[in-house]
Parts: sequence; structure tokens; C-alpha cells
Amino acid sequence: NAGVTQTPKFQVLKTGQSMTLQCAQDMNHNSMYWYRQDPGMGLRLIYYSASEGTTDKGEVPNGYNVSRLNKREFSLRLESAAPSQTSVYFCASSLKGGQGTQEAFFGQGTRLTVV
Amino acid sequence: AQSVTQLGSHVSVSEGALVLLRCNYSSSVPPYLFWYVQYPNQGLQLLLKYTSAATLVKGINGFEAEFKKSETSFHLTKPSAHMSDAAEYFCAVSGRLNKLTFGTGTQLKVEL
Repeated sequence: NAGVTQTPKFQVLKTGQSMTLQCAQDMNHNSMYWYRQDPGMGLRLIYYSASEGTTDKGEVPNGYNVSRLNKREFSLRLESAAPSQTSVYFCASSLKGGQGTQEAFFGQGTRLTVV
Repeated sequence: AQSVTQLGSHVSVSEGALVLLRCNYSSSVPPYLFWYVQYPNQGLQLLLKYTSAATLVKGINGFEAEFKKSETSFHLTKPSAHMSDAAEYFCAVSGRLNKLTFGTGTQLKVEL
């Protein structure tokens, strides 16, 4: 039972390079999320997808784009990486509905360094 | 807007001592509150959640939390700390579409 799988686990980019972080879940969840974790700031929501075919901005969307490829997969793209995007990125998924009561399941994270 | 404040970015306790991690929330609607734990180089794992059923919530690994509306608090406790409890703990409030707003986290250190 894999749960939420993120690839890659580690990545170093040069400023201006692009890359895509991949996320897949096998729990048949409708909703998926991308968070970034920075020291002393907790986790902040970048983008989310309430269901297949929909995406929307979270708290810190600038510099990122997302694609909900199908029900299982939700990718995060950095078009032109900046040092400020050095962070640990977490993908999460949850069942839809419940007005906020549903637990989120998290992947293991991607540690991204932009130099 | 909803928000969560965790008092104390670092807490240190002796093995066997009481663990108390503080969380206060701000919400204009009845909140749904969560505690997550993160072990080094791992993702987040749910410890427990409050969804308005019972004010005292029991979670995994002997942790529990009490929802106190009058104090807008949801503090996490464990009667006796174990070395394996050393980790970072996050309090979070959930909103529409199950989007989470996290506190800044508390790093728990357990000493012999």
C-alpha cells in the first residue's frame, strides 16, 4: 500500500531551470494538494485540486503551475526556478467532502535546492 | 480567515515526563482541528483530529488533545514521554475543501 508517492526525493536546480514534481496516490481520493515547508513557517498551500479536472490557487501560488493529469496524479511545475523556491515540497490527498473533516495523507516530500 | 498559533518552537522534556504542546486557533466558524507529527526526513502523519464529536480526542501513540472553545485552544498532551516521540508536531485547522492551515510547528526533544 503505497499511499502518496512523490518523485524525485531530492533535486538541485540552477536559477532559471525548470522542473516538474510528480505526485501519485492510490487511495482513490478526489482531492489533492501541494504544500511547501520552510523552517519556522510550517506548511503553506501552493495549489490544490478538489477533483479531477479542477485546480485552484492556494496561499503561495506565484512561480508555480499545476496539472491534474487524472484522478491519481497531480504534478507541480516550476517554470523558472528561483532561490526563494528552495524548500521541501509535500503532496497530499484526501477524500472529498465532509466540510473540512477529512484527513490528509502526505507523501514523503521532495527536497528542492535552487542555486 | 482561519489561523493557528503554536507557542514554543522547541520543547524539551525528560523521558517519562508529561508532554504538553500548545495550539491556539482563530476561526469564524466551528473549527476542525488536527495534530500531525513529522519524523526526520518523513512526511506528515495524522496523530488525531477534532471534528466536533467529543471535546477530548484520543490519538495514536498515547497522545490526546482537548478542544476548549472558551480558550480557543487544542493542546496536545501525553502523560509519559518516550524517546521515540522526538519529532516535529504541527497543529492545523481545516477549512473548505479540506485545505489545511498549519501552525509553525513545535520540535519536541526527549532527553534521558
